[in-house]
Amino acid sequence: DAGITQSPRHKVTETGTPVTLRCHQTENHRYMYWYRQDPGHGLRLIHYSYGVKDTDKGEVSDGYSVSRSKTEDFLLTLESATSSQTSVYFCAISDGGGATDTQYFGPGTRLTVL
Amino acid sequence: AQKITQTQPGMFVQEKEAVTLDCTYDTSDPSYGLFWYKQPSSGEMIFLIYQGSYDQQNATEGRYSLNFQKARKSANLVISASQLGDSAMYFCAMREVNNFNKFYFGSGTKLNVKP
Repeated sequence: DAGITQSPRHKVTETGTPVTLRCHQTENHRYMYWYRQDPGHGLRLIHYSYGVKDTDKGEVSDGYSVSRSKTEDFLLTLESATSSQTSVYFCAISDGGGATDTQYFGPGTRLTVL
Repeated sequence: AQKITQTQPGMFVQEKEAVTLDCTYDTSDPSYGLFWYKQPSSGEMIFLIYQGSYDQQNATEGRYSLNFQKARKSANLVISASQLGDSAMYFCAMREVNNFNKFYFGSGTKLNVKP
């Protein structure tokens, strides 16, 4: 199994508070991704990183920011959480950027915004 | 337009029978990869099988095979000899090399294996 951890695994917070989710990998993979999973939508890409300090937006990036200061860590920040950001968040990694490079997922973080 | 379409929200199959989960995709990128993931009720995403757009043969991994029909833009997952542990959500995904390597996921198919 790929060495990917996410913290926290569960979090309940209130509307308007900042929240940071952490993804940590021990595989030294170049690419890292944040997804959210909601019923009926599958997984939707929030942001991704293709190297240290190199990030880009996905399809649902509004309200989220990311940072990657080290290869092994990718942080997702909700600057001011809203109830619509209640979701399960998955981090994923892949070694390269080619069509053959598989993504491997972390265990997920369940976030509830009240 | 949807990049990945899974038209079967839920399916049932009898234990030990084979089942096909449908997936169609939309891309103009000549280089892409197709993936299937399993998500059991415990929530983790498990990689099952991969097919490249230039691969001539259908991919197989144990009881899983991918029926790749490029002209039809379909990449169906076939599970042979279903087991109770196969009950889960299954997601089809695509990676476009020339689109910043983004992954796109379908909405999933929930498979229930009956004893």
